[in-house]
Amino acid sequence: EPEVTQTPSHQVTQMGQEVILRCVPISNHLYFYWYRQILGQKVEFLVSFYNNEISEKSEIFDDQFSVERPDGSNFTLKIRSTKLEDSAMYFCASRQLRGVQETQYFGPGTRLLVL
Amino acid sequence: DAKTTQPPSMDCAEGRAANLPCNHSTISGNEYVYWYRQIHSQGPQYIIHGLKNNETNEMASLIITEDRKSSTLILPHATLRDTAVYYCIAVNAGGTSYGKLTFGQGTILTVHP
Repeated sequence: EPEVTQTPSHQVTQMGQEVILRCVPISNHLYFYWYRQILGQKVEFLVSFYNNEISEKSEIFDDQFSVERPDGSNFTLKIRSTKLEDSAMYFCASRQLRGVQETQYFGPGTRLLVL
Repeated sequence: DAKTTQPPSMDCAEGRAANLPCNHSTISGNEYVYWYRQIHSQGPQYIIHGLKNNETNEMASLIITEDRKSSTLILPHATLRDTAVYYCIAVNAGGTSYGKLTFGQGTILTVHP
């Protein structure tokens, strides 16, 4: 069964450093998402991406964040200058079509720790 | 998207049915009810979804009341591996949210031996 994959599974970085989190969505999916979950808190939507552009983003997704689909298979989330409060699990998800009936599938997540 | 309300926690004995309720009294006609679960800190796992008819798949059954103001997720024979946080999410089919999922706190289901 096709799966969303994410790398790395864990990342430790120093405050102020740039990090890139990588995702490989399911191959015939067209909509891509990033969510995050701070320890002990809810899963929060960050951004959705379709047709090589951002379709929606949350207030969390400020200028420090960017997303890219560089090569037609990977989908990346970049945090330009990490802060302590960026420490969280980051989940990538993908969906096949526009209609809501198409289910969104999540990857296993990347645990980011900012020191 | 409509707000959903779930009990914070529930217990279930292994082998018994787990019935997880969800209240979505303000749900609109074109909003689907989706259920996901999250085991430890793994990625949310899709379980089932429905609009107004009851649905069943290999994982669970979804019972939606006739007025659509509430629903129940049924795990027919719960196992220890079903211990997880279960999320009920209303998703607008006709909106411009591009499928964004808004997670609440969910229900922590603990399955006991």
